[in-house]
This record gives sequence, structure tokens and C-alpha cells, in this order.
Amino acid sequence: KAGVTQTPRYLIKTRGQQVTLSCSPISGHRSVSWYQQTPGQGLQFLFEYFSETQRNKGNFPGRFSGRQFSNSRSEMNVSTLELGDSALYLCASRRNRDVYSPLHFGNGTRLTVT
Amino acid sequence: EDQVTQSPEALRLQEGESSSLNCSYTVSGLRGLFWYRQDPGKGPEFLFTLYSAGEEKEKERLKATLTKKESFLHITAPKPEDSATYLCAVSNFGNEKLTFGTGTRLTIIP
Repeated sequence: KAGVTQTPRYLIKTRGQQVTLSCSPISGHRSVSWYQQTPGQGLQFLFEYFSETQRNKGNFPGRFSGRQFSNSRSEMNVSTLELGDSALYLCASRRNRDVYSPLHFGNGTRLTVT
Repeated sequence: EDQVTQSPEALRLQEGESSSLNCSYTVSGLRGLFWYRQDPGKGPEFLFTLYSAGEEKEKERLKATLTKKESFLHITAPKPEDSATYLCAVSNFGNEKLTFGTGTRLTIIP
């Protein structure tokens, strides 16, 4: 069974640009969450999508947005990039919104903002 | 607000030297405590879920335990391939997101 797939694996962008990251969840999984991982802050929750609707949102500015498609695939967009947005962005999926179920993570997209 | 604190930040052990990692948590109503392993350049890999105080789970050389305030990940006779960062996370009633600790970086020296 294929795991969570994130593309691209690496991105280098310049301040002020925008970026779109993609995530394909495990087949049959309808909930997709996004996390930002940095050395200082660890994993910080960005948002969760289920059935194409944002169900939960973390404490990030409006420059961070996302969406989910009918096939459960998800994209995350960051506009007006800042140096502090450099991080590993992780996507995770689970079958539904049952919080007793673990999240299954992809290997992330490493974003570097210069 | 949920809080998770992991200690130590880093731990170096000789191969075969058993030890424990700690995860202390503050949560309004625990639904689950999760342990993950993360290798460099990869996403976290799920290890265990614990739901209530007194529960224990085992997998190979790893055993996770849970009390009302903390969880321990015991590593028995570790091998170099156990080297990784171990992450702890909690979920609570009314909030489906996971709150993570910053992890313990474990290095097993041959």
C-alpha cells in the first residue's frame, strides 16, 4: 500500500514569491493535515482538511492556505514568502477524523527561502 | 492549551545500554498519546498509541507506558539502527489536531 506522497521534495524560493506544495494521501484516507517543522519549534499544526472542507486551523498567518480536492489530494499555498518560512512541510493522512487514529506522514517538502 | 515536553533533548548510548525517554504532557482531556520515530530527511513514522493510564505497548526493543502526567519510551538493548529522533504527541477532547513535543534525538554508538 503506497504511503503519503509529497511533491516536490525540495524547493528554493526567493522572498516575496509564492509556493504551492502537493500531497497525495494514503488510498482511502479522507483526512489530510499539514504541519510545519523547524529545529526551534518542532512540529506546528497548520490545518486539517476533510471532505474538501477545512476543519481545523493552527495559529499561522493568512499567507498560509490550503485546499483539498474530491479525490482527497491536498495542496498548501504560501504567499509572499518570508525567510522564516524556511522549514520542512509535512503532510499527514488518516482514514477519517477519529482522533484515536494515528496520523501517517509523508517525507515532506523542504522549503528554503532566500 | 495543550503542552508536551520531552526530555532529554539528546541521548547517546552504547549499543546494548538500555534507557528511557520521557514525555510529560498537560492536556485538558487526553484522547490519545502517540509516539513517532523520525529519521533524518524523512517524515515521522508511527510507533504506538496509548489511550489510558496504566496502558503499555511493545514493539521489538521498544516499550511505551503511560501515566496521568507522562509517558515513557523504554529502549532495551538498543542497536545502532534505533538511532533516530523520537517524538511524542497528544490529542484531546474537542480538538482533533496533534500537539507535538520537540523530540529526543537518540544516538546508539556501536
